[in-house]
Amino acid sequence: ETGVTQTPRHLVMGMTNKKSLKCEQHLGHNAMYWYKQSAKKPLELMFVYSLEERVENNSVPSRFSPECPNSSHLFLHLHTLQPEDSALYLCASSQESVDQPQHFGDGTRLSIL
Amino acid sequence: QKEVEQNSGPLSVPEGAIASLNCTYSDRGSQSFFWYRQYSGKSPELIMFIYSNGDKEDGRFTAQLNKASQYVSLLIRDSQPSDSATYLCAVNRGGSNYKLTFGKGTLLTVNP
Repeated sequence: ETGVTQTPRHLVMGMTNKKSLKCEQHLGHNAMYWYKQSAKKPLELMFVYSLEERVENNSVPSRFSPECPNSSHLFLHLHTLQPEDSALYLCASSQESVDQPQHFGDGTRLSIL
Repeated sequence: QKEVEQNSGPLSVPEGAIASLNCTYSDRGSQSFFWYRQYSGKSPELIMFIYSNGDKEDGRFTAQLNKASQYVSLLIRDSQPSDSATYLCAVNRGGSNYKLTFGKGTLLTVNP
C-alpha cells in the first residue's frame, strides 16, 4: 500500500463506548497529525507527533487520547464522546519541514448517537 | 481577523473558463502556502504549493503569491466539470510544519 490509510472509514458509536481510530503512513514521513473537520468550519488541528513525540495538543478534550507507537502508526482513542464530536477525522503525515506539504488519509466519518 | 480567509462561494464558472480562487492571510511572517482540493466526502488532496513571490505554474494550475499584500491565489485554466470541488488554502506560519492553518475553503462549480 502507498500513502496514508485510515480505518475504519465510518464509525457509529454511543456516548459511552470506547473505540479507536487507526492511521498508517507508507511515505517514510517523520510527522503525523490528527485533524477534525466539521461542516462549515476550517480543518482543526488536534494533535501532532514529530519523531514519535507529541509536540502539539490544541486544547483538545481529554476524551480524545492520541498514541503514536512508531513513526508509521498513529491512533486516536475515543471515550465518552459527545454528539458535537461527530465529524470527519483526518490523519495526515509529512516530513517535519516548513516547506513540505502534508498528505491526508481518506478520513473516518464519526457519528455519535 | 481570521488567520486565513477565503470566499466560501460557491464560485460558478462555465466549462473552459478560467477559475480564480483567492486567499488572504494575517500573519506577515508566513512562509509557505498550499492549495488543496477536496471533493465532497473525500480527503484534501494537494494541488500546488508556493514559497516565493510571483507565479508558479503546473499544467492548468497557476499559484500566485504576493507577500506584501498577504495574498495567494489559484488560477485554473480551461476549467473542467471534474474540477468542481472545495479548494482549501493553507498557510504555514513558520517554525515547524505543523503551524499550518487552513481556510474554510471555496466551493467551485464548473458548469458543462
